[in-house]
Order: sequence, then structure tokens, then C-alpha cells
Amino acid sequence: QQKVQQSPESLIVPEGAMTSLNCTFSDSASQYFAWYRQHSGKAPKALMSIFSNGEKEEGRFTIHLNKASLHFSLHIRDSQPSDSALYLCATNTGYQNFYFGKGTSLTVIP
Amino acid sequence: GPKVLQIPSHQIIDMGQMVTLNCDPVSNHLYFYWYKQILGQQMEFLVNFYNGKVMEKSKLFKDQFSVERPDGSYFTLKIQPTALEDSAVYFCASSGTGGASAETLYFGSGTRLTVL
Repeated sequence: QQKVQQSPESLIVPEGAMTSLNCTFSDSASQYFAWYRQHSGKAPKALMSIFSNGEKEEGRFTIHLNKASLHFSLHIRDSQPSDSALYLCATNTGYQNFYFGKGTSLTVIP
Repeated sequence: GPKVLQIPSHQIIDMGQMVTLNCDPVSNHLYFYWYKQILGQQMEFLVNFYNGKVMEKSKLFKDQFSVERPDGSYFTLKIQPTALEDSAVYFCASSGTGGASAETLYFGSGTRLTVL
């Protein structure tokens, strides 16, 4: 079964800082890599995803993927208090089978 | 955006009883999932479902669990009988319109199940 691990478990940053979240996975056949955000008591919601090596930027968010290292990351530029949430990374094993990490709890201090 | 509806939002039952969790997926999605999240712990994959069949299930998907989606109806997770360790938030998700690559999951807001 796919193992997905995230680091750090929790993170506190000041407003305006760059935040970096990490995710490692075990199945080298994984094809889909995504970050989800879950505010307390709410449903997880997709932030962004990537399929091939490299990086992808959407606004303040950038996702990096290195398949050879079994690693991908999320970087948040100019972090805002509204970014405070649990961030979940996800990857797949088959076409539509997704496994999630335990999450990184991010707190952005005004 | 697309919405997944879960009913009920909370359910409290006695151990040994049967419970059915209901999910109304995004209307044109083809793949349906259940995930289990215990407070403060990882969201764990339970099962996915496509074309009327279970495609993959994890070791958490015990024999007491079953899923179905009768035509035009909810996608359901039934637990019979329930055990104390089944207490968790259960998230339903849906994805996929038949494309060639993995697609975004859309989650419901979860059903908080408490087994006494």
C-alpha cells in the first residue's frame, strides 16, 4: 500500500513569510500529485496538482515535483492568516486510487 | 463549484447497531470514495467504487462495511454491526468524468459518527 509522509507536522510562520511543506511517497509508479487544504471542521479542498516533474505556479502557491526523489512540495509565498489550515498531500497508486499524508498544520501569525 | 452532499452531518449510535452514511456525489462523476478520519490523525482511504463495483479497498474496510449506489440514489456506506473503533469522521468524495488521467477529488463535509 502507498505510504505518504508529510513534514513538518506543524508550522507557525509570521504573515508575509515563505512557507514550505514537504511530502514523500513510496510508489514510484505514482502519476498524480496534489495538495489539499482542510480548514477545521470542513471538507478537504483541492489546491493544486501536478503530473510531471518540475514546478507549477498558481498565484502565491508553487508545487515542485521530483519523481526520482519520491518527493513533492508546496511553497506559499507571502503567507496570510487565511492560509492557516491543515495541508494534505495526496498521490495515487492506480488511475483513481488516492492516498493522503497525515497533514501539516499551518498557522500564520498576523 | 461542484458539491458533494453528505447526510447526516452527525450520527450517534450504540455499539452493535447498524448505521448507513449517505453521500450525494457530484452529478456527472463516475468514481466514488469513502475516507475515514479520526480526530488529529491521518485521513485514511477506505474504498473506491466505479460502475457499480468496488475497485479497491484498504485493510480498514472490514467485513462489517459495505458500499452501494443503487441507480439514481445515494452512494452509501453501511456498517453492520458497529464497533467503538468506528467512531470517526467519514468523508465521501467523488471524481472523474472518464478522462485518461487522475482527477481532482471533491469532498463532502463529512459525517461525524459516534459509537457509544
